[in-house]
Amino acid sequence: AQKITQTQPGMFVQEKEAVTLDCTYDTSDQSYGLFWYKQPSSGEMIFLIYQGSYDEQNATEGRYSLNFQKARKSANLVISASQLGDSAMYFCAMRVNTGANSKLTFGKGITLSVRP
Amino acid sequence: KAGVTQTPRYLIKTRGQQVTLSCSPISGHRSVSWYQQTPGQGLQFLFEYFSETQRNKGNFPGRFSGRQFSNSRSEMNVSTLELGDSALYLCASSLGTGLSNQPQHFGDGTRLSIL
Repeated sequence: AQKITQTQPGMFVQEKEAVTLDCTYDTSDQSYGLFWYKQPSSGEMIFLIYQGSYDEQNATEGRYSLNFQKARKSANLVISASQLGDSAMYFCAMRVNTGANSKLTFGKGITLSVRP
Repeated sequence: KAGVTQTPRYLIKTRGQQVTLSCSPISGHRSVSWYQQTPGQGLQFLFEYFSETQRNKGNFPGRFSGRQFSNSRSEMNVSTLELGDSALYLCASSLGTGLSNQPQHFGDGTRLSIL
């Protein structure tokens, strides 16, 4: 079974500063994908970034980057130059590469508040 | 390219009633998954459909069911509603199934309130 752990309490960051949101995972599968989603108060889940278990380079998408440490089973999201619109709930998720178990497993999420 | 469309956005029902939620995936996406989100339990997987077949199912009672049509649109049905079914129901689509490198793209969700 897969497990995602997000234990940080609500996070606060000053506008224009960088912030790191922590995520650790557990799986016995060798092939898997790690995802980060953003959920504003309106409810929609917005896909931010993906990292494959065999990817040697850390994924980057604009202001988002994923600090992937496979041996430590961590996949932290780094948001650079925070903006007020980044205030939201952030979820780390995993998907393994087996047809019978292809669901996304989510962590509990982290609330990020960006201060002006 | 249109995103995932869920209807309705908001729904109020009473205990014992049944409800049907609809989801239209992104054009070309053949896999549709449903999730329930509550403050206490977080995001929980309900089921996934691909090519009109249920491929995967979460730990929910049989009151929760779904189906997928030939155009990949999906519906989710909940019968004999209980207060605990109040939640945000999210639909997600992806190109295929069983592929760990495929992100799922979500709709805006349906907020279901049970009175």
